[in-house]
Amino acid sequence: AQSVTQPDIHITVSEGASLELRCNYSYGATPYLFWYVQSPGQGLQLLLKYFSGDTLVQGIKGFEAEFKRSQSSFNLRKPSVHWSDAAEYFCAVGARGFQKLVFGTGTRLLVSP
Amino acid sequence: EAGVAQSPRYKIIEKRQSVAFWCNPISGHATLYWYQQILGQGPKLLIQFQNNGVVDDSQLPKDRFSAERLKGVDSTLKIQPAKLEDSAVYLCASSLEGTSGRDTQYFGPGTRLTVL
Repeated sequence: AQSVTQPDIHITVSEGASLELRCNYSYGATPYLFWYVQSPGQGLQLLLKYFSGDTLVQGIKGFEAEFKRSQSSFNLRKPSVHWSDAAEYFCAVGARGFQKLVFGTGTRLLVSP
Repeated sequence: EAGVAQSPRYKIIEKRQSVAFWCNPISGHATLYWYQQILGQGPKLLIQFQNNGVVDDSQLPKDRFSAERLKGVDSTLKIQPAKLEDSAVYLCASSLEGTSGRDTQYFGPGTRLTVL
């Protein structure tokens, strides 16, 4: 069975600074990897996903993530954070076939002025 | 395109009472998911429907939780009787197919349940 670890519960970043959120996964084969964002009172929105091919994936809102098989990681990055990026971010891993997503515990991003 | 609709948005009940949540997926989406998100945790899949059939309900507490998706469109999740530990946000999601693992899941706003 697959699993996901997001080691950082909270991260505070200054507006305009760069961001990296960590995600480590466990799965026996090549996983399907996702990053979702959840703003207060709202459902989850997909930022980006990785299935195969180019290991650097571009998403919405200026986010990108890099799949590193050797490190079992799929870290999310953004070069310049905006105050509106403050939210909770979830990494998820899926498997082939019927899509059962397993989510990490999330990282809450706080943006300071 | 209309998103996934859920109601109610908030519900407060006392333990041992029953409660029901409703979800209407995006039109044409074959797969519907119910997740439970406890405060401080990521969403956990409770049940997955493919059209009106159950694909995965391995994490659904079947002694108290039930779900149905009549006619393969909207769905209802019920808890009877509720326990304190059922306090959570219940998220509904849908995807176009859900059979390949590559489908994007679209989430509704969720129902926040508080059990007193």
